[in-house]
Amino acid sequence: AQSVAQPEDQVNVAEGNPLTVKCTYSVSGNPYLFWYVQYPNRGLQFLLKYITGDNLVKGSYGFEAEFNKSQTSFHLKKPSALVSDSALYFCAVSGDNTGKLIFGQGTTLQVKP
Amino acid sequence: KAGVTQTPRYLIKTRGQQVTLSCSPISGHRSVSWYQQTPGQGLQFLFEYFSETQRNKGNFPGRFSGRQFSNSRSEMNVSTLELGDSALYLCASSLLGTSGAAYEQYFGPGTRLTVT
Repeated sequence: AQSVAQPEDQVNVAEGNPLTVKCTYSVSGNPYLFWYVQYPNRGLQFLLKYITGDNLVKGSYGFEAEFNKSQTSFHLKKPSALVSDSALYFCAVSGDNTGKLIFGQGTTLQVKP
Repeated sequence: KAGVTQTPRYLIKTRGQQVTLSCSPISGHRSVSWYQQTPGQGLQFLFEYFSETQRNKGNFPGRFSGRQFSNSRSEMNVSTLELGDSALYLCASSLLGTSGAAYEQYFGPGTRLTVT
């Protein structure tokens, strides 16, 4: 069975500092991995994806993620956090060649000035 | 290009009633998926449609159903509403890769359903 875990309910970081939001996954076969962000009372916005190729994936708004197959992880990173990055972040995986996404429980990122 | 649109944005229904939610995908996207988001259960997959056929279904009771039309627009229906059906219902559309897997999904703003 496919699953995604985001071990931290909340991550706090000071503006200008690097941030990491963690994600681990379990899927049989090759995973398609995604990060989404959700602002209050809004739908999900796509940030980045890993399908194949380079393990370091760059996405929107300066975010990037590193795919680590041996550790089955796909952590989201940003070198310098902004207050406007404060939101709810979801990691998701698709591994059955359909449009079904399995989401983690979400991590609230709080960036303080 | 216009994004995914969902109507209505807000809905209040009474237990036992039924409801239909609508989703218009991004032009050219033929895969449409539906998700339920609640504070307790998070984001859960309901079903996916491609070319008017349900390709995958999540673990929800038969009261939840959907369909897709030839123009890729999709509807989902919930019959005999229960209090626990109160949630944000999100629709997403995507292109498909050669393997049949969906590339990134683009989400609509959601329909907030409240059941009283």
